[in-house]
This record gives sequence, structure tokens and C-alpha cells, in this order.
Amino acid sequence: DIQLTQSPSFLSASVGDRVTITCRASQGISSYLAWYQQKPGKAPKLLIYAASTLQSGVPSRFSGSGFGTEFTLTISSLQPEDFATYYCQHLNSYPTFGPGTNVDI
Amino acid sequence: QLQLQESGPGLVKPSETLSLTCTVSGGSVSSSSYYWGWIRQPPGKGLEYIGNIYYSGNTYYNPSLKSRVTLSVDTSNNQFSLKLSSVTAADTAVYFCARVLVGWYCSDFWGQGALVTVSS
Repeated sequence: DIQLTQSPSFLSASVGDRVTITCRASQGISSYLAWYQQKPGKAPKLLIYAASTLQSGVPSRFSGSGFGTEFTLTISSLQPEDFATYYCQHLNSYPTFGPGTNVDI
Repeated sequence: QLQLQESGPGLVKPSETLSLTCTVSGGSVSSSSYYWGWIRQPPGKGLEYIGNIYYSGNTYYNPSLKSRVTLSVDTSNNQFSLKLSSVTAADTAVYFCARVLVGWYCSDFWGQGALVTVSS
């Protein structure tokens, strides 16, 4: 089974900061990776799929990159509404999630 | 506007079967462009994919849950359902239903989630 790890697990940041989260796969997964944002008590929200394709309606300050085993989610200028937990997901017939990165103030 | 709504008992006894239904409005479970999936999240923990189903009835299950999970789809009522048998306290979680994009397997629309507690 392919395992996903995320770093860091926790991230303290300020409004306006550039934030980068990394997701690593235990084997190459081409571009089959998505990123989600989850706020407390809410369902996850799809931000990016196919490693770098921005989901419709998602602000352009979010971007994704990577291929194979290493992927990054970048928030170019952190906004107050971006404080949340972020998950990567391997896109497969039964998709698996990374453990999450909590972005806090 | 697509909406997904989970429904079912919020409390299930150990060893019994957890049953949830997701009602889809503003869209059709018979669409050839989507699977329909279930994901769960234990309190304070991360996300776990349970499985997904196509309108034809084809299913994909998380191997770790496969022996206990049954997914079904009801195209006439625009619903799909989850059954998880022999539950234990470890199955206590918020259960989300979601629309899953064919080809990419990403979930682009989610229900609000339903908390199911396993307790006697």
C-alpha cells in the first residue's frame, strides 16, 4: 500500500505569510494527488487535484506542484480564513489521505 | 445547486450494523461522470476513505474495511447507502458522503457529515 506523509504536522503562521506544506508518497504516484482544506466541524473542501489543477472557485493564492513522490501545497499570502487543517490524498480507486497539517496562528 | 445529506441513527450498539443513507439533490446519482463515496473521521483524528460506488453498482472498498462494508445505490430515489457491520467503539466517527470524480477519484462535493457513536 502507498503511504502518504505530510510535513510539518503543525505550522504557526501569520496573515500575509507564504506557507508551504509538503506531502510525500512511499512510491511514485505520478500526478494522482489532491489537497483538501478542513475547518473545525466542517466537511473537507477540495482545493487542488491532479497535483496542480485548481478546483473551480478556489482562490488563486493556493497552488500545488510536484510529481512522483513529492508534492507541495503553497499559500502565497495567508488570509485569516486559511487557518485550517490541510490534507493530501492519493487519488486511486480507494483514495488514501495523509495525516494532515494544522495551520494555526 | 448540488447538495448531499447524510441520514441515519446517531447511536449504534456494539456488534450491530451501522446504516447511513446519502440523499443527493441538485444532481443525479445516475451520472456517468461520478462515483459516490463515503469517508469517515474519528473525533479529533484524520480522514479515512471507506469506499465508493458507481450508478451501475460497481464498488471499490478500503481493504481494511472490506469484510464489513456494503455500499448500495438507489437511482430511483437518488440515494446511496452505507452499511458497516459488527461495529465497535473504533467505528465512532463523523461519516461523510461525497461525490467522487471519475478518473481522478477526488471528492468535489461533500455532505455536512453525520456523527455516529458506537456505544451500549
